[in-house]
Amino acid sequence: AQSVTQLDSHVSVSEGTPVLLRCNYSSSYSPSLFWYVQHPNKGLQLLLKYTSAATLVKGINGFEAEFKKSETSFHLTKPSAHMSDAAEYFCVVSEGTYKYIFGTGTRLKVLA
Amino acid sequence: SAVISQKPSRDICQRGTSLTIQCQVDSQVTMMFWYRQQPGQSLTLIATANQGSEATYESGFVIDKFPISRPNLTFSTLTVSNMSPEDSSIYLCSVPRSNTGELFFGEGSRLTVL
Repeated sequence: AQSVTQLDSHVSVSEGTPVLLRCNYSSSYSPSLFWYVQHPNKGLQLLLKYTSAATLVKGINGFEAEFKKSETSFHLTKPSAHMSDAAEYFCVVSEGTYKYIFGTGTRLKVLA
Repeated sequence: SAVISQKPSRDICQRGTSLTIQCQVDSQVTMMFWYRQQPGQSLTLIATANQGSEATYESGFVIDKFPISRPNLTFSTLTVSNMSPEDSSIYLCSVPRSNTGELFFGEGSRLTVL
């Protein structure tokens, strides 16, 4: 059965410092993995996706994530945080057949 | 990418009333999903709306409380019936992209029940 765990409910970083949002998954098959961002009072926007191609995935706004099968992880990173990155981030796993499991979310706070 | 429009974007309702949320997609899609996001929580799938057949509801959600219509391949509605304050949530419509599986979301409908 699929599951996804976001290890931190809240992360605070200073502007200009690196961002690391952690996600671990459990899947019986080769999963597809996604990161979404939700700004206040907005819907969810896709940041990036892994679908069994390159293990290092680059997304929008300077974010990237690395799929590590041995560690069952798909952590989201960004070299330098910007104030506009403050939002809720969701890690999502799918084993196909349009079944999606959402993580509980990580709220990123960026300090000036 | 699909463009998804939801209406209303927000509403304040009295308990015991019902509200219908509309979702319009700019292209034809087979499957449409309705999610609920309670305050400070993640997303929970309510049901899958398939054109030409009844919606498929997830455990804990029933048709009497959340009736769904899917009259064509670009439109769906979700009704929240006999509302209580516990129904205060963001309701999100989404559609999958068939070749890569990613989900596209509407902006959501923020519902507050007094």
